[in-house]
Amino acid sequence: TQLLEQSPQFLSIQEGENLTVYCNSSSVFSSLQWYRQEPGEGPVLLVTVVTGGEVKKLKRLTFQFGDARKDSSLHITAAQPGDTGLYLCAGPLPRYNTNAGKSTFGDGTTLTVKP
Amino acid sequence: NAGVTQTPKFRILKIGQSMTLQCAQDMNHNYMYWYRQDPGMGLKLIYYSVGAGITDKGEVPNGYNVSRSTTEDFPLRLELAAPSQTSVYFCASSPGQGSYEQYFGPGTRLTVT
Repeated sequence: TQLLEQSPQFLSIQEGENLTVYCNSSSVFSSLQWYRQEPGEGPVLLVTVVTGGEVKKLKRLTFQFGDARKDSSLHITAAQPGDTGLYLCAGPLPRYNTNAGKSTFGDGTTLTVKP
Repeated sequence: NAGVTQTPKFRILKIGQSMTLQCAQDMNHNYMYWYRQDPGMGLKLIYYSVGAGITDKGEVPNGYNVSRSTTEDFPLRLELAAPSQTSVYFCASSPGQGSYEQYFGPGTRLTVT
C-alpha cells in the first residue's frame, strides 16, 4: 500500500503555464520532503516542510504543507523547460512502526514543459 | 565536496553472476540507504543503515546483501543476478537525528541479461 499518493502521474504543459502537483496521505507526517529528479540523475532535495499550513517559496516554486500534515502541494508559476523532471515527495515513516530513519516515497509526477 | 559517489555508472551482468555496487559519502552522515528505481516508478528501499555495523531490510531486500563497516561506505552486493534486478540503483545518505533530508548519488544503471 502506497502511503504517499502523488497526482497527476504525468503532466505535459507549454512554457509559461502554471501548474500544481499533489502529494496526499491518510497518515500524519512530521515532515515532508520534495525532490526533483532529472533524466539520468539522482533525486535532488528541493525543500522540507515541517509545520502544518507552512508555505515555502523557492523562486517560481511554492510548496505548501496541509494544516493536518497529511498532504502537500507544489505549485510552479510560469513553468520553463528547465523545470522538466520527476517530482517526488517523501516523508519519514511513523515512529510507532519502529522505522527510525526510513522514509517513504511517492511514485512521483513526471512533468514535461515544452518550449 | 564530493557528496555521495557511486560506482560503476553502468553495468551489464549475465544471469547468475554477482557484483558489488559501491557507495561512499564524505558528509559524515549516519544514515545510508539503497534504493532501486524501475522505469516510470518511484524509489523502493532495498536496505538501510543507521550507523556503522548496523543494517536492516527495506521493502525489497531479496537477492541483495549489504554491509557497513565504516561511516563512509555502504556497498550493495547482488548474488546470482536475475533479470528482475535490472534497474537503476541509487545510494543516499542522511544526517539522521531527526533530519530526514536525503542526499543521493548519481545512480548505477544495471542490466541483467
